[in-house]
Amino acid sequence: NAGVTQTPKFRILKIGQSMTLQCTQDMNHNYMYWYRQDPGMGLKLIYYSVGAGITDKGEVPNGYNVSRSTTEDFPLRLELAAPSQTSVYFCASSLYDTDSYEQYFGPGTRLTVT
Amino acid sequence: KQEVTQIPAALSVPEGENLVLNCSFTDSAIYNLQWFRQDPGKGLTSLLLIQSSQREQTSGRLNASLDKSSGRSTLYIAASQPGDSATYLCAVRRGDSNYQLIWGAGTKLIIKP
Repeated sequence: NAGVTQTPKFRILKIGQSMTLQCTQDMNHNYMYWYRQDPGMGLKLIYYSVGAGITDKGEVPNGYNVSRSTTEDFPLRLELAAPSQTSVYFCASSLYDTDSYEQYFGPGTRLTVT
Repeated sequence: KQEVTQIPAALSVPEGENLVLNCSFTDSAIYNLQWFRQDPGKGLTSLLLIQSSQREQTSGRLNASLDKSSGRSTLYIAASQPGDSATYLCAVRRGDSNYQLIWGAGTKLIIKP
């Protein structure tokens, strides 16, 4: 199993550009998440999904959109990029809300908006 | 509002020492607490997960404790090695949801050979 994969690893955007961060998991997990991590800070939840076709906002959703058409994929869309969106983005997945609830993380995408 | 704090932000110790990393949270109504390791350029790896009903969990040289009433968790690393150098983050899962993790900012640990 590859686990959780993210592409690209690095990206530089100009202000106002748009892009999609890709996330795929091969563990047949129901739950998927997008986080951002700013320097010296903890992770903040952007959006999450409890299954295909179901998404909901997290703590910091403004400026982002998501979709979940399949169990495996959970892309994050940035529209009209702003310098405040410069961050490292992590995708994660978990099987379900069980007693051994645990999230598995991708390697991250480092995004710079200039 | 739940807040998670990790002190110190950075720690440098000689190889072989036993050390303790601290995590505190403001709301004791948590479902569980998790410790993660983050290596530069890589994703996060889960180290230990403690359910709210548990007091501690152990994995190899790592031992994590949880005291809900005082809002504290510690990660004990025995006989530290240079390969333990990484950033360690703790996250609490809110007691009222099945998805929201509230994260600390992490402790950057450097083990000197």
